[in-house]
Amino acid sequence: SQQGEEDPQALSIQEGENATMNCSYKTSINNLQWYRQNSGRGLVHLILIRSNEREKHSGRLRVTLDTSKKSSSLLITASRAADTASYFCATDPLKNRDDKIIFGKGTRLHILP
Amino acid sequence: DGGITQSPKYLFRKEGQNVTLSCEQNLNHDAMYWYRQDPGQGLRLIYYSQIVNDFQKGDIAEGYSVSREKKESFPLTVTSAQKNPTAFYLCASSLQGEGDYGYTFGSGTRLTVV
Repeated sequence: SQQGEEDPQALSIQEGENATMNCSYKTSINNLQWYRQNSGRGLVHLILIRSNEREKHSGRLRVTLDTSKKSSSLLITASRAADTASYFCATDPLKNRDDKIIFGKGTRLHILP
Repeated sequence: DGGITQSPKYLFRKEGQNVTLSCEQNLNHDAMYWYRQDPGQGLRLIYYSQIVNDFQKGDIAEGYSVSREKKESFPLTVTSAQKNPTAFYLCASSLQGEGDYGYTFGSGTRLTVV
């Protein structure tokens, strides 16, 4: 029941550069969420954007949502070595009676020193 | 501090053995979830529970069982019927009802068959 799909699967950039990851999904949603997972650890909730919102910021994170294209992007500005992790989008489908969100397969981000 | 605690961090299972993974939360969250993650892969839902004494199968429930006798606890048993149990297991919880809520995750249990 995969809903979100991240692109690219893997991304390597130099420290200080901006990193952009994309997420596409298939059905209408209530909200879309981004999570970070450091190697061997649990996921950490980064940001949630509702279907009636177009852009949201949190520190160095910027998330956009385009419901007409069924896509979202996560921008990390001025990347740091500590940003090296996997990033997952998760969607809360509309008409979701059981409040269960659906995760994509993730983008592996590697920040080069 | 509120959070979710998973134990143990590492677990080794012999062939044919049942093992139980613990998940406890003190966030007063209604819903709890178990996910399986294989190397380089996303999360696949095993079981979830929205209320005490009730739970539903996820996408890959075969070979697993759960219970929800207390709001704070949602243990997962990996039975001998699960033929390929080596994986990273993640427990999560969330609020329910009106509003938009994210999930809080535990730090995971890595299960290896020996």
